[in-house]
Amino acid sequence: NAGVTQTPKFQVLKTGQSMTLQCAQDMNHNSMYWYRQDPGMGLRLIYYSASEGTTDKGEVPNGYNVSRLNKREFSLRLESAAPSQTSVYFCASSWAPDWSNQPQHFGDGTRLSIL
Amino acid sequence: DAKTTQPPSMDCAEGRAANLPCNHSTISGNEYVYWYRQIHSQGPQYIIHGLKNNETNEMASLIITEDRKSSTLILPHATLRDTAVYYCIVVSGGSQGNLIFGKGTKLSVKP
Repeated sequence: NAGVTQTPKFQVLKTGQSMTLQCAQDMNHNSMYWYRQDPGMGLRLIYYSASEGTTDKGEVPNGYNVSRLNKREFSLRLESAAPSQTSVYFCASSWAPDWSNQPQHFGDGTRLSIL
Repeated sequence: DAKTTQPPSMDCAEGRAANLPCNHSTISGNEYVYWYRQIHSQGPQYIIHGLKNNETNEMASLIITEDRKSSTLILPHATLRDTAVYYCIVVSGGSQGNLIFGKGTKLSVKP
């Protein structure tokens, strides 16, 4: 029972490099999310996909792009990494994008350091 | 979304019940109470949620006061693996996406 799987678990980049964080869920959920977690800031929503084929900006979308590849997979891309994007990134999924009896389930995160 | 207040830390003896309080005095009628926990270096783990009634699942029980201004998460038989930061979150049922974690309660289960 894998739930939400994120790859890679750790990554170190140099400023200006690009990379894609991968996320896959096996719960047949419709909605998927990308968050970042910084010390003292809690979780902040970057982008979400309410259903396959749709994506919307969250609280902190600048510097990121997303792709909902299919119902299972939702990727997050950093086109030109900056030190301010050093963070722990979490992917989550749920049945629907609203909070009416719809808990989100999280992966174990990608720890990204940008030098 | 309503703001929540939780004690910064609590201790519990292994095998005893852990009762984690949360105040949400400004909660409105369509806002749910959700509980998550985060064990060091892992992703947030969903525990339980409720709207008005008390709820129980295989992990925990959630007791919501009649006026809904506070709630208590109960872990009936705490184990060392329950040591984590526990977050009480109040969120509108109609809102999309965003999940705002406060500072939470650091629960330490001791042998």
